[in-house]
Amino acid sequence: GQNIDQPTEMTATEGAIVQINCTYQTSGFNGLFWYQQHAGEAPTFLSYNVLDGLEEKGRFSSFLSRSKGYSYLLLKELQMKDSASYLCAALDSNYQLIWGAGTKLIIKP
Amino acid sequence: GAGVSQSPSNKVTEKGKDVELRCDPISGHTALYWYRQSLGQGLEFLIYFQGNSAPDKSGLPSDRFSAERTGGSVSTLTIQRTQQEDSAVYLCASSSRLAGYETQYFGPGTRLLVL
Repeated sequence: GQNIDQPTEMTATEGAIVQINCTYQTSGFNGLFWYQQHAGEAPTFLSYNVLDGLEEKGRFSSFLSRSKGYSYLLLKELQMKDSASYLCAALDSNYQLIWGAGTKLIIKP
Repeated sequence: GAGVSQSPSNKVTEKGKDVELRCDPISGHTALYWYRQSLGQGLEFLIYFQGNSAPDKSGLPSDRFSAERTGGSVSTLTIQRTQQEDSAVYLCASSSRLAGYETQYFGPGTRLLVL
């Protein structure tokens, strides 16, 4: 079956760095997405990885290892506004997004 | 429009009534998705349209749920004889496979409460 695993909740301190991990098992693979979702709002696109390696975009970076079925989202210089849920989603061979349940990130001052 | 729009933004209905939710995708986006999200939960895939056809209806929870898309644009999700467990946020997303990769852009959602 198809499955995405990510931690349910994480806590970090303002100004620090946090890494949110995601492992996936899908029928075929066409890339890995990270979305951010603030409470009561729709998800917004953060990143897309299809090749192995690290993609950096400002304070956010996303890493992919296809051989390990593993990705992480790295958030640096955490700000209070980064408190949100972070959704990992893998694109399968039929171009369907398989979603994880999301990681709720709590930022403390 | 500039983004995906959905209507209504909120809907309160009585158990047993039918509801219709509307999604207006980004102009030119050929793919349209419906998801459901219960409070504190992840996204639950419902149905996917490519153009006007729905190659994947596997996520529809029961035969009370149906969806259609006309003109390759607007889609409606209909829930018949609503039940309390249907209460959730219903999200629509659209994407274009003409892009180098598929990024789904989400609408603001319809918050459905069945009393």
